[in-house]
Amino acid sequence: GAGVSQSPSNKVTEKGKDVELRCDPISGHTALYWYRQSLGQGLEFLIYFQGNSAPDKSGLPSDRFSAERTGGSVSTLTIQRTQQEDSAVYLCASSWGQGWADTQYFGPGTRLTVL
Amino acid sequence: AQKVTQAQTEISVVEKEDVTLDCVYETRDTTYYLFWYKQPPSGELVFLIRRNSFDEQNEISGRYSWNFQKSTSSFNFTITASQVVDSAVYFCALSDSSTGGFKTIFGAGTRLFVKA
Repeated sequence: GAGVSQSPSNKVTEKGKDVELRCDPISGHTALYWYRQSLGQGLEFLIYFQGNSAPDKSGLPSDRFSAERTGGSVSTLTIQRTQQEDSAVYLCASSWGQGWADTQYFGPGTRLTVL
Repeated sequence: AQKVTQAQTEISVVEKEDVTLDCVYETRDTTYYLFWYKQPPSGELVFLIRRNSFDEQNEISGRYSWNFQKSTSSFNFTITASQVVDSAVYFCALSDSSTGGFKTIFGAGTRLFVKA
């Protein structure tokens, strides 16, 4: 597609369940980023990928969060044993991967609600 | 450390008013990039502008203009003759070589309400 796509757009889950959020970046973009945006808040960096590797995982809030990227394209963010404080919008972005000056292009986000 | 401050949490204006959104940044690098993004109610962040630290020329794009002043570490955004469709949250962001290569630091955002 033309832009970054994310699925599902909305996810409601029960506390303690695992969830998987998917991001499909813009074709040709080698860098991919995950952010979390809590209600009315700014963007919290979670992780980024250059190709399939994730050199910076410093933003992952806990070991319940993990992410992978395969084939240099689609990425999956997994949250295990979800907690109510995980409720947020999870945003994915991609860029050409040319370095720190990249412009990031964002997807529509996945709104996660943990009951 | 890198930091982006958007001191205005919310701004409310009446349509056709001009409005300026403030952004102040901190970085030790002499080479860096600044960005503005718009997040309308639909939720998707839309890229508006990227400016590098060596280019202090002001930029104008239609009703939008940006004033970059290194002396005050500010990169302010002005909307002229605001419209209801401008209602959104606007984020200022910074990227420099010390952020590990790919981390962009975002401000907390300014929510703009434009009333008809």
